[in-house]
Amino acid sequence: GAVVSQHPSWVICKSGTSVKIECRSLDFQATTMFWYRQFPKQSLMLMATSNEGSKATYEQGVEKDKFLINHASLTLSTLTVTSAHPEDSSFYICSAESGSGETQYFGPGTRLLVL
Amino acid sequence: GESVGLHLPTLSVQEGDNSIINCAYSNSASDYFIWYKQESGKGPQFIIDIRSNMDKRQGQRVTVLLNKTVKHLSLQIAATQPGDSAVYFCAENQGGKLIFGQGTELSVKP
Repeated sequence: GAVVSQHPSWVICKSGTSVKIECRSLDFQATTMFWYRQFPKQSLMLMATSNEGSKATYEQGVEKDKFLINHASLTLSTLTVTSAHPEDSSFYICSAESGSGETQYFGPGTRLLVL
Repeated sequence: GESVGLHLPTLSVQEGDNSIINCAYSNSASDYFIWYKQESGKGPQFIIDIRSNMDKRQGQRVTVLLNKTVKHLSLQIAATQPGDSAVYFCAENQGGKLIFGQGTELSVKP
């Protein structure tokens, strides 16, 4: 149980284009999903928290207009990196929890490379 | 600001030995802690968690110890195996958000 998937697993795009990453909870309903980014040899940094049916809450320093988050259902959240630039290249990881304060289960991550 | 940190960035152990990974936290109000394992190119995998009303919790080959007096958390892995090689993160739950430590890379020598 508690499986979270992400799609795609990796993506290469040209600078200026937009990329959408999907995060799905496969066997449970996720009231809250989280998006993190991770640079090589570094820890995970929380970007935003999304609750189904409401606007995401972004961490300080994360541009909400650049990283669009949609949490349309209890099993799906999407992150769209708009007008991607090389500095957006990173490992993006989502997590989901079934209830407030419960354990977060992580997806396998999406490697984004912006050329 | 509040943070969760680790004492050792790398740890190398012999196969079959026990491993101990340490973590210090600074928010004394935190009441829930989790250890994650992350293999290269993959997402973090839940290992074990502990709440502040406990000081020890055991799983399969893993034990987490919590010392609230000195705000210290440790993960013990018994009979370490090559498959245990990964980066281990402690995380502190602050108001529903996970704050991750810097990570310790565990390398198991055959």
